Amino acid sequence: GAGVSQSPSNKVTEKGKDVELRCDPISGHTALYWYRQSLGQGLEFLIYFQGNSAPDKSGLPSDRFSAERTGGSVSTLTIQRTQQEDSAVYLCASSLLGGSSRTGNTIYFGEGSWLTVV
Amino acid sequence: GIQVEQSPPDLILQEGANSTLRCNFSDSVNNLQWFHQNPWGQLINLFYIPSGTKQNGRLSATTVATERYSLLYISSSQTTDSGVYFCALRDAGNMLTFGGGTRLMVKP
Repeated sequence: GAGVSQSPSNKVTEKGKDVELRCDPISGHTALYWYRQSLGQGLEFLIYFQGNSAPDKSGLPSDRFSAERTGGSVSTLTIQRTQQEDSAVYLCASSLLGGSSRTGNTIYFGEGSWLTVV
Repeated sequence: GIQVEQSPPDLILQEGANSTLRCNFSDSVNNLQWFHQNPWGQLINLFYIPSGTKQNGRLSATTVATERYSLLYISSSQTTDSGVYFCALRDAGNMLTFGGGTRLMVKP
């Protein structure tokens, strides 16, 4: 697609339920990132995928969080047994290259998925 | 990892004024991006600027990688410039590290 696409754009869920958030990166982009941002706060890194390499999961806050990327394209972030502190906007980004480069390394963000846990 | 600091943390401008936002970073890098997060939360890519100077309309950016800083200039500010400005850098492990942001409010 023309840009990074995320769905759903908004999700309200009850505490304890599981949620899945989807990210469709720009076609051909090999690197994919998930971040979250709580209201009024900065961006918190969650997970990074690069090609067929093992993902960098160092930012996942607990074992309730997991993510996968199928076929090197679409990614799904799953939050199990949601808690109120999980309420945030979840942002996905992609880029053409994962490594440092002087050209073509721009990262593009989707519009985010706003999650509210009640 | 890389440390990224932005200043000022908050900025209030009268419409039409100019401003300079600063991003300092701890390690030598060859990639840096500036983003604008609008009031709806969307992150808009402004510049990919590992070094040198770029201009896009009323915005321009300069990165001096050897001195580990980047500047974002906003000229003739408009209310639509309001939001949060982030700089971000990628380290050798491809981790994208964001600064804390500069929250800008432009008053009419």
